Amino acid sequence: QKEVEQNSGPLSVPEGAIASLNCTYSDRGSQSFFWYRQYSGKSPELIMSIYSNGDKEDGRFTAQLNKASQYVSLLIRDSQPSDSATYLCAVNGAAGNKLTFGGGTRVLVKP
Amino acid sequence: SQTIHQWPATLVQPVGSPLSLECTVEGTSNPNLYWYRQAAGRGLQLLFYSVGIGQISSEVPQNLSASRPQDRQFILSSKKLLLSDSGFYLCAWSVHRANYGYTFGSGTRLTVV
Repeated sequence: QKEVEQNSGPLSVPEGAIASLNCTYSDRGSQSFFWYRQYSGKSPELIMSIYSNGDKEDGRFTAQLNKASQYVSLLIRDSQPSDSATYLCAVNGAAGNKLTFGGGTRVLVKP
Repeated sequence: SQTIHQWPATLVQPVGSPLSLECTVEGTSNPNLYWYRQAAGRGLQLLFYSVGIGQISSEVPQNLSASRPQDRQFILSSKKLLLSDSGFYLCAWSVHRANYGYTFGSGTRLTVV
């Protein structure tokens, strides 16, 4: 079983719709959770971090965390073609000091 | 503000040649430093990380080594490259315990021919 799992996609959404990305993790002691966006050929960029159960909103992005279910999600509202990228879920385990990344979900926003 | 520099951006090397990739961080002290590799169409694989000068943790047995000769400098090396070493190499830094995530450098695309 992989430590951090994501659906590889591609997730195809029409422009203006909501994109919903999911991530599950295995380390119950994990304390911090992150979403990165990676455009093709570029390095990952941190877009959201979440540390406690519930929702966290930042502009068009909302991260959701449920530690009991070991589940993290990312919602992208009013999706734009510029949101087309691979989104990486990352988890900082109980030991700290390093993040474990999921394989990424590729998102395609169609005009 | 903190910045991370990684070079070169692209590199084409023959099989059996040596490798040296360098990463430096500015604007912070005693950062955690990381080397990741991303094969084409694949996820991020942690290669090495360091929590201090001379302290290197190796995550995957392989043809590569890492060194941290100065607080804000991290070097990835190989004595003899293999075809399987091709990929996108990313350096990253974080504060202690990575509680706020990483900041990545711009990456080096290595092609071994």
